[in-house]
Amino acid sequence: QVQLVESGGGVVQPGKSLRLSCAASGFTLRNFPMHWVRQAPGKGLEWVAVISYDDNNKNYIDSVKGRFTVSRDHSKNTLYLQMDSLRPDDTAVYYCAREGAHNLQHWGQGTLVTVSS
Amino acid sequence: DIHMTQSPSTLSASVGDRVTITCRASQSINNWLAWYQQKPGKAPKLLIYKASSLESGVPSRFSGSGSGTEFTLTISSLQPDDFATYHCQHYKSYPWTFGQGTKVDIK
Repeated sequence: QVQLVESGGGVVQPGKSLRLSCAASGFTLRNFPMHWVRQAPGKGLEWVAVISYDDNNKNYIDSVKGRFTVSRDHSKNTLYLQMDSLRPDDTAVYYCAREGAHNLQHWGQGTLVTVSS
Repeated sequence: DIHMTQSPSTLSASVGDRVTITCRASQSINNWLAWYQQKPGKAPKLLIYKASSLESGVPSRFSGSGSGTEFTLTISSLQPDDFATYHCQHYKSYPWTFGQGTKVDIK
């Protein structure tokens, strides 16, 4: 069955970098657009980024443009989110999600990123 | 960017109640709207897509309606498993945005 497992979260100082991974199983990553969505503690959901199925198109929320990069390694069937110049307001649980015919049908369990000195 | 506003923010209800949550978009999104259910510490779960289509496996007590800028999620008879937070989300164009969430708790 479809499974998404995020990893790479942790505590990081402001201005530093972190790379999140989302390992996919039960399907081929290259066949689907993939998204990152985050949720700050006690807050609502915030869509962050998307990579198209063919990797040719990427879109980001304004607050992370120029700092975050979404990519994937098809040989590893893994999605990534490279996060640079991290700020305290990037603190959140980060979810990867697969877009299907019915929008975001499959989600990972999330990984917590805490940006703090 | 399209802004999504949900109401109410919190809703207290009893088992068996009919519950309605509203989501308004700052501009027309046609029917490009989804509803998710989220329980504490868990990932969101898709309930409704394209405003009114029920995701496979979701109980029929959940229904969605609306188009353009105003949408509703209705739970016809609230069950114990339904106490959770509900989020609407548009997917008409990037950036996709979510409402702030509606927490349904026990009265």
